[in-house]
Amino acid sequence: QKEVEQDPGPLSVPEGAIVSLNCTYSNSAFQYFMWYRQYSRKGPELLMYTYSSGNKEDGRFTAQVDKSSKYISLFIRDSQPSDSATYLCAMSLYGNNRLAFGKGNQVVVIP
Amino acid sequence: GAVVSQHPSWVICKSGTSVKIECRSLDFQATTMFWYRQFPKQSLMLMATSNEGSKATYEQGVEKDKFLINHASLTLSTLTVTSAHPEDSSFYICSAPGLAGGGWQETQYFGPGTRLLVL
Repeated sequence: QKEVEQDPGPLSVPEGAIVSLNCTYSNSAFQYFMWYRQYSRKGPELLMYTYSSGNKEDGRFTAQVDKSSKYISLFIRDSQPSDSATYLCAMSLYGNNRLAFGKGNQVVVIP
Repeated sequence: GAVVSQHPSWVICKSGTSVKIECRSLDFQATTMFWYRQFPKQSLMLMATSNEGSKATYEQGVEKDKFLINHASLTLSTLTVTSAHPEDSSFYICSAPGLAGGGWQETQYFGPGTRLLVL
């Protein structure tokens, strides 16, 4: 079993829809959870960062972490064509900056 | 957020030649940097951890004599692909740990990547 599982999609949604992405993981010691956005032929950029369980909201983006279920989610409200990208979940242990990545979800927002 | 740059952004070379890729942290120091490669529609695969002033740590299956890493300063790490072959063609990305979340949480900041094509 991989450390981090992310269904690679792809996912196509109409503009304005809610995009829901998720990852599961096997290592209960993970403490830091991140979502990165990667446009085609570019490096990943940090989108959301959460520590331990709970919700975090930033504009149209909401990240959720449920450590008891080993499950994290990213929601994008009022999706825009500019949100079309690959979204990677990542996580790390306390005191260790190596990241474990999911495979990435390709999202296409159709105008 | 912290900025990481890479140079060159793309390179085409002949089989058998060596190619050097630079990774710089522009506004912060990084004692550790990470090198990844990414194939089309695949996730990032960690190749090695670059440590300032000491030897790099390579992931299992990555040839250290093939992918030479030098981390000579707190803001620069280089990856040299030696005797490159077509199967080395890939997207190479570096990252460096930096602070997020108001300055108290550490995460990774990525460079824009270098696309290598070996003919």
